[in-house]
Amino acid sequence: DGGITQSPKYLFRKEGQNVTLSCEQNLNHDAMYWYRQDPGQGLRLIYYSQIVNDFQKGDIAEGYSVSREKKESFPLTVTSAQKNPTAFYLCASNPHRVNTEAFFGQGTRLTVV
Amino acid sequence: GQQLNQSPQSMFIQEGEDVSMNCTSSSIFNTWLWYKQDPGEGPVLLIALYKAGELTSNGRLTAQFGITRKDSFLNISASIPSDVGIYFCAARLIQGAQKLVFGQGTRLTINP
Repeated sequence: DGGITQSPKYLFRKEGQNVTLSCEQNLNHDAMYWYRQDPGQGLRLIYYSQIVNDFQKGDIAEGYSVSREKKESFPLTVTSAQKNPTAFYLCASNPHRVNTEAFFGQGTRLTVV
Repeated sequence: GQQLNQSPQSMFIQEGEDVSMNCTSSSIFNTWLWYKQDPGEGPVLLIALYKAGELTSNGRLTAQFGITRKDSFLNISASIPSDVGIYFCAARLIQGAQKLVFGQGTRLTINP
């Protein structure tokens, strides 16, 4: 079945460590996105990529990094520079055509202790 | 930056009741979207609105794109237990840019 897969579902890391969240899609979508969700808040855009080997910062990119070496994959690294990394992270993809909307993955809950 | 003000933040209703929630902004948008999120899952698109004044239904759900382009509402009729979850509005300023702004969400709880 086609879809967008995030792994792992739950992730625990010690403070000061970098951690990479996986996002893979087999929908042949051009655009991919990473959002952060905190309790009681809407989704905030971290990074997005509209094409392979290209990506742009979203509204809260500080402390995060991404790569887009393959169309199917858009991993997010949460670095030790991110002051408050504990959150629910959501990946999405989109065919990047007018009037087409994004599909979301099931999310990764990152807890930094 | 652009912000969406979504209300109410939470609702507690009886099964069978109708539900209404809305989003407003001081900015003008060209697209309004409504998503539902179940606990621990990603949001799922319910309704997409692309024209000012547009009224669109999806089963028991009805949403409208405000004529001023600054607001949208979502109505759910005859609520059932599986309607429980968090509902988000989202809006996009420029077609094709695909950058969305999200509201804070409305948490819906239904008493059977």
